Amino acid sequence: ETGVTQTPRHLVMGMTNKKSLKCEQHLGHNAMYWYKQSAKKPLELMFVYNFKEQTENNSVPSRFSPECPNSSHLFLHLHTLQPEDSALYLCASSQGQPDTQYFGPGTRLTVL
Amino acid sequence: AQTVTQSQPEMSVQEAETVTLSCTYDTSESNYYLFWYKQPPSRQMILVIRQEAYKQQNATENRFSVNFQKAAKSFSLKISDSQLGDTAMYFCAFATGSGNTPLVFGKGTRLSVIA
Repeated sequence: ETGVTQTPRHLVMGMTNKKSLKCEQHLGHNAMYWYKQSAKKPLELMFVYNFKEQTENNSVPSRFSPECPNSSHLFLHLHTLQPEDSALYLCASSQGQPDTQYFGPGTRLTVL
Repeated sequence: AQTVTQSQPEMSVQEAETVTLSCTYDTSESNYYLFWYKQPPSRQMILVIRQEAYKQQNATENRFSVNFQKAAKSFSLKISDSQLGDTAMYFCAFATGSGNTPLVFGKGTRLSVIA
């Protein structure tokens, strides 16, 4: 068991739904990340937060909306997604950048 | 921009044998970090080993060791005494040593350990 948890582990949603992914880290880290992992593609960075402030948005469509209320929690709000958004969404945390990132187990998202 | 290349999409190795996974990277930075992560079928991404570019000594972690060739921009992972539990996707990753740049990952190598 790592110090980074993600819920839900699996999510199926329609294109008109609104849902949220949650990530929580228990490691005392100050940086948190969202990555997208699609089949046959490298991990794609989506967002980076340092001390609750967003420091990177990797040209992610606005249908993905991150929220970081504190250094331990990170959310990814989803709305009007497309089928091509189906992927494994991984959350990670680290103690400052750059440093070793510790990953959660991921949320497997399927958009119908 | 930094890039990471893993030229072996798939590899297999007999149990108890040794296997080496290749990784090359491209950067103009002098201060950076390199990582190998393992992603087993459970999908949990697990750190295997880490190397700071300023260290000449190759990192080792039990059965895992790296061959870091800074001039050649090469960072290969050697797994000794391969075990069935080593079956996984292995990702090479890069991070610069300054600023807010996060990890850049390669496409991964799928390793199968055969009994």
